[in-house]
Amino acid sequence: DVKVTQSSRYLVKRTGEKVFLECVQDMDHENMFWYRQDPGLGLRLIYFSYDVKMKEKGDIPEGYSVSREKKERFSLILESASTNQTSMYLCASSLLGQSSYNEQFFGPGTRLTVL
Amino acid sequence: GEDVEQSLFLSVREGDSSVINCTYTDSSSTYLYWYKQEPGAGLQLLTYIFSNMDMKQDQRLTVLLNKKDKHLSLRIADTQTGDSAIYFCAEAARDDKIIFGKGTRLHILP
Repeated sequence: DVKVTQSSRYLVKRTGEKVFLECVQDMDHENMFWYRQDPGLGLRLIYFSYDVKMKEKGDIPEGYSVSREKKERFSLILESASTNQTSMYLCASSLLGQSSYNEQFFGPGTRLTVL
Repeated sequence: GEDVEQSLFLSVREGDSSVINCTYTDSSSTYLYWYKQEPGAGLQLLTYIFSNMDMKQDQRLTVLLNKKDKHLSLRIADTQTGDSAIYFCAEAARDDKIIFGKGTRLHILP
């Protein structure tokens, strides 16, 4: 059974703290994605990665960075958390290339609250 | 740019059919998708349709694609309480990305 796991389901941090959100997939997927989900705004892409040590900015990268040192792990970093980063964070992975219908597999999400 | 639009809410009585509509902008999308998000969970692919198809049926689910109008719909027959969820319309974009709509929250009335 394919699986994407996220390190925490719920997280509470203080303004200015450095926050690490971890995502691991066991499907040997090349692509990994970080989204944030907010009511009325749907899913917005923060960063994505095609391969180890590769990263590309999504639609809302400001205030975030990412790290992909191993193929199975993609980390989202909030260098200095702010209250407007309170959100649900979703990680996803998929196979590289257009040979399939390119399904993205999602983790259960991390609900981050910044006080 | 690429955009996917869908209504935010839909209420349906149990046993009736639910129809969720979506419009998209990128006519070159090869695949269009419907994802489902149950409470407290991530998204899960419900069904997809290749762009050269008009219709796809899978048990209680029917997907209709009108490429000329860039309109996609999802019909759920005999809606059950377990169908209560947020449904995201999405289109395949370049570089293996997927563009998601804002999601339609389906509420089932008894």
